[in-house]
Amino acid sequence: AQSVTQLGSHVSVSEGALVLLRCNYSSSVPPYLFWYVQYPNQGLQLLLKYTSAATLVKGINGFEAEFKKSETSFHLTKPSAHMSDAAEYFCAVSSYGNKLVFGAGTILRVKS
Amino acid sequence: EAGVTQFPSHSVIEKGQTVTLRCDPISGHDNLYWYRRVMGKEIKFLLHFVKESKQDESGMPNNRFLAERTGGTYSTLKVQPAELEDSGVYFCASSQVFPPVGGKRDTQYFGPGTRLTVL
Repeated sequence: AQSVTQLGSHVSVSEGALVLLRCNYSSSVPPYLFWYVQYPNQGLQLLLKYTSAATLVKGINGFEAEFKKSETSFHLTKPSAHMSDAAEYFCAVSSYGNKLVFGAGTILRVKS
Repeated sequence: EAGVTQFPSHSVIEKGQTVTLRCDPISGHDNLYWYRRVMGKEIKFLLHFVKESKQDESGMPNNRFLAERTGGTYSTLKVQPAELEDSGVYFCASSQVFPPVGGKRDTQYFGPGTRLTVL
């Protein structure tokens, strides 16, 4: 069975500050890991994905995530937050069969 | 290229009524998925079509939910009769490659969702 834990249902940062959204996973097979973002009144958009190639994955809008097998983590970071980053972020894991298992989501608030 | 589209965007119905949600996947995508997010909870998998066949329906909550994908194109998800606990946002996603082609798991592209409210 697979599961995802996102630490912190709400994260608040100042504009220009580092963004760190935490994700830990559990998987009995080599995982594929994803970060999706949902902006207000929109659908889920893929930010980035880990597919067993490079452990540091770069995504859109300046986000990146690092796969750490020893820590079973896939935290999402961005060096400098922008107001437009305010959204809900979801970490997800999939295995063979492609079904996605999502974390509970983290709402990011960016303060001016 | 058009993305995944869902209709309607919102639906408000009374308990006991029937509602049908529609999803149009990205053209050429054989895989179609339905997910649901009940308020305050995680997004949860409902089922997976490969073309017109149900590959995995392990997430379907009960027999009040019926999903179809005739002809392997668009899909419908019918809830009959609707209950209060069915309220939530229903997402559809599609992807191109069916695993396990070399163990490859393809990216799922999501639609904007249908917000269902059952009163």
